[in-house]
Amino acid sequence: DAGVIQSPRHEVTEMGQEVTLRCKPISGHDYLFWYRQTMMRGLELLIYFNNNVPIDDSGMPEDRFSAKMPNASFSTLKIQPSEPRDSAVYFCASRTGGNGYTFGSGTRLTVV
Amino acid sequence: DAKTTQPTSMDCAEGRAANLPCNHSTISGNEYVYWYRQIHSQGPQYIIHGLKNNETNEMASLIITEDRKSSTLILPHATLRDTAVYYCIVRSNSGGSNYKLTFGKGTLLTVNP
Repeated sequence: DAGVIQSPRHEVTEMGQEVTLRCKPISGHDYLFWYRQTMMRGLELLIYFNNNVPIDDSGMPEDRFSAKMPNASFSTLKIQPSEPRDSAVYFCASRTGGNGYTFGSGTRLTVV
Repeated sequence: DAKTTQPTSMDCAEGRAANLPCNHSTISGNEYVYWYRQIHSQGPQYIIHGLKNNETNEMASLIITEDRKSSTLILPHATLRDTAVYYCIVRSNSGGSNYKLTFGKGTLLTVNP
């Protein structure tokens, strides 16, 4: 089991550019979550999916953020246009009925 | 989800037991207590969870008081690699929006040699 796989690990982009973060959940997990972590705000849930359908996107900060899950093995989080305040570590997690969530290693995004 | 209160930081000597407390006085009957930890620069890692009985696994033990208003995570023999931020979270397992996992500030546990 390779766990939850996120790419890229690090991303540096200029303000105004589009950024796409990718996540491959654990096979068989039917829930997928996107979190953002900053020093000021800690870990925040942005959006989560159940069986590829978005269930709760109330944590998405604004219209510049969008997330998709076209199939059970892939999800993207897109920021367009990016701003310096979007700099953070973005985590993807997945789970199925039972115990806890499994988190990926995160993508460290820096917008300059 | 019920709010939790944890100390900001704790220290523990290597090889000794680390006991991390958590208060959740507003927990409701169908809410579980979950513990996660986050080692620097890594994603959070699930440790253990329980409803009202004490639980033990290969990583830790979870002791929940009879009134369920507080709990303690026990790492029986702490090592330097257990240095991390430990999060106590309460949530329901009943589905729908209750699958959201809301993280607080946690406790920074530092294990000293």
